[in-house]
Amino acid sequence: DADVTQTPRNRITKTGKRIMLECSQTKGHDRMYWYRQDPGLGLRLIYYSFDVKDINKGEISDGYSVSRQAQAKFSLSLESAIPNQTALYFCATSASTGNQPQHFGDGTRLSIL
Amino acid sequence: EDQVTQSPEALRLQEGESSSLNCSYTVSGLRGLFWYRQDPGKGPEFLFTLYSAGEEKEKERLKATLTKKESFLHITAPKPEDSATYLCAVIGSGYSTLTFGKGTMLLVSP
Repeated sequence: DADVTQTPRNRITKTGKRIMLECSQTKGHDRMYWYRQDPGLGLRLIYYSFDVKDINKGEISDGYSVSRQAQAKFSLSLESAIPNQTALYFCATSASTGNQPQHFGDGTRLSIL
Repeated sequence: EDQVTQSPEALRLQEGESSSLNCSYTVSGLRGLFWYRQDPGKGPEFLFTLYSAGEEKEKERLKATLTKKESFLHITAPKPEDSATYLCAVIGSGYSTLTFGKGTMLLVSP
């Protein structure tokens, strides 16, 4: 089983809809992250959380919100989806000791029509 | 602001043809430089962490090196299964999260 699981893997929806992407992890890490990846733009950080009570905005948080329901669960919401939010979304986790690498899920491909 | 530039954007090699990928960075107080491999439809997979200039890490046909301004990912005698996008990321003393480069897409032909 994957250490970092994202659901759904693919989603097609319409402009204006509310969408939730979910991430769960079994690595026991405190830190969790949401990124989006677009061709030519690379990975950009949306939100991150260093523990259950901590939520921080990343580089491109406008139009997104997050919820850290438990140490192992971190969800990303698009309150009213728009076409330029079409992208590949990744969740990642890392340990809180030292400068540890982040470990990624396999992503959610989101298309907004 | 931390910055990472990777070159080339794309690289095509013949099987067995060794080469290097470059990651140039600007960061205030480097705390770590990370290399990842990403296959199509998959999330980035962690390869190496380098912490200080002069450090080297190896894994199979890959070797990562670090200077004060750049890192190289050397690929020796590559095979088609080494085809992927390779990402570089840094974390500096002024930030608590990674800054990623845009990646180098490597294609190794048999």
